[in-house]
Order: sequence, then structure tokens, then C-alpha cells
Amino acid sequence: GIQVEQSPPDLILQEGANSTLRCNFSDSVNNLQWFHQNPWGQLINLFYIPSGTKQNGRLSATTVATERYSLLYISSSQTTDSGVYFCAVETDGTASKLTFGTGTRLQVTL
Amino acid sequence: DAGVTQSPTHLIKTRGQQVTLRCSPKSGHDTVSWYQQALGQGPQFIFQYYEEEERQRGNFPDRFSGHQFPNYSSELNVNALLLGDSALYLCASSLPGVGNSPLHFGNGTRLTVT
Repeated sequence: GIQVEQSPPDLILQEGANSTLRCNFSDSVNNLQWFHQNPWGQLINLFYIPSGTKQNGRLSATTVATERYSLLYISSSQTTDSGVYFCAVETDGTASKLTFGTGTRLQVTL
Repeated sequence: DAGVTQSPTHLIKTRGQQVTLRCSPKSGHDTVSWYQQALGQGPQFIFQYYEEEERQRGNFPDRFSGHQFPNYSSELNVNALLLGDSALYLCASSLPGVGNSPLHFGNGTRLTVT
């Protein structure tokens, strides 16, 4: 099956810093989504982004499908950004059958 | 507009027992999928229900079964519980269609098997 690797695995930032999270996948995908899982376990959909660039406030994402990677940018980080960021891909036309990546654990400190 | 709701939030069971978890999808969604998230790992797809039928299944044994009701809500049943079934079980809903609908997750049910 498809492999989805994320880097870095762990990241510690001071509040106000910027960061870039990377997601590499081993095969063609139909869609790619980014999620944030907060410390209480809640999984929030950030972006649905099979290709191109999208922005939502301090967050933006870019997927280059032909090169099989996606990037999530976090600017002016806040403590509420802490948690685990997952990218997830779908390959067989089943929109809800996602393969999740290994995750990036982010801690934002004061 | 209610999001995806799951019950119960926490559950403790003994090895060999059976458990039923429940999920109501986000308003307007009719497709429900279930995921298992072990500690420190990403969620893994169990199965998807649409029009009251299991449409896709991940690599999980037959001990894991489900059901979808006419109102689109869903249940996940796990029989003959093993210690390794301890995990956060997440329900997600989406609009029907192919490849163009973001998933919305509930807050999960944390199952502990002792």
C-alpha cells in the first residue's frame, strides 16, 4: 500500500515563530487532507488539498501532486497550535478511506 | 449545526467481552467511516458505510462489524475483545461522492480493554 511519511516527527517552537511541515507520499493520490489533533484527541480538518495552494488565516498548504509531496505552513504560531499534525491521502476513489501519515508533534511554548 | 457526535466518550471492558460504539454524522452527511487510533499512531481505516451497507473495509478482522441506520447514524461492534483493541475509536462523516469531500471527525470513544 501507499506510504505516507511526515517530517519532522517532533517540533518545538517559541510563540510567534513560523514553521513548515512536510508530507511525502509514495504513489499517486486522489485527494490529500491535513488534520490537527489537539491534546484532547479531537481531529480537526484543516485543508482538503489534492493539488495547488490554499490559505486559511495563519495556515496555508501547498500540494505538488506530480512530485508527491505536500507542505503545511504555520505562521506566527500560538500555543493553541500545539498538538499533532497529520496528512492523509486517498488513492482508490473512496473519499473517506484515508491513509494517515506518521504525524508531526508540535509544541509551541511561551 | 451539530458536528459528528460519538458515544460513549470512555469505556472500560474486559478481554473477551463485546462492545458497541455509536456515531451520528454531521448534518447533511450520509456517509460514515470508522477509524482506530492506537496510542502514538495515526488513525487506521476500519470500514465505511453508505446507504446502510458496508462499502469499503480496511485490514481488520471479522470481529469488527458495523451497521448504518436509515437516519445515517452508525454503530461499530467489536466482539471477543483483545488487549490490543484498546484505542481511540473515531467516527467520521462526509458527503457522498468520489474524492471531493473533506472528512469531519467526532471526538472519539476511548476504549480500554483490561
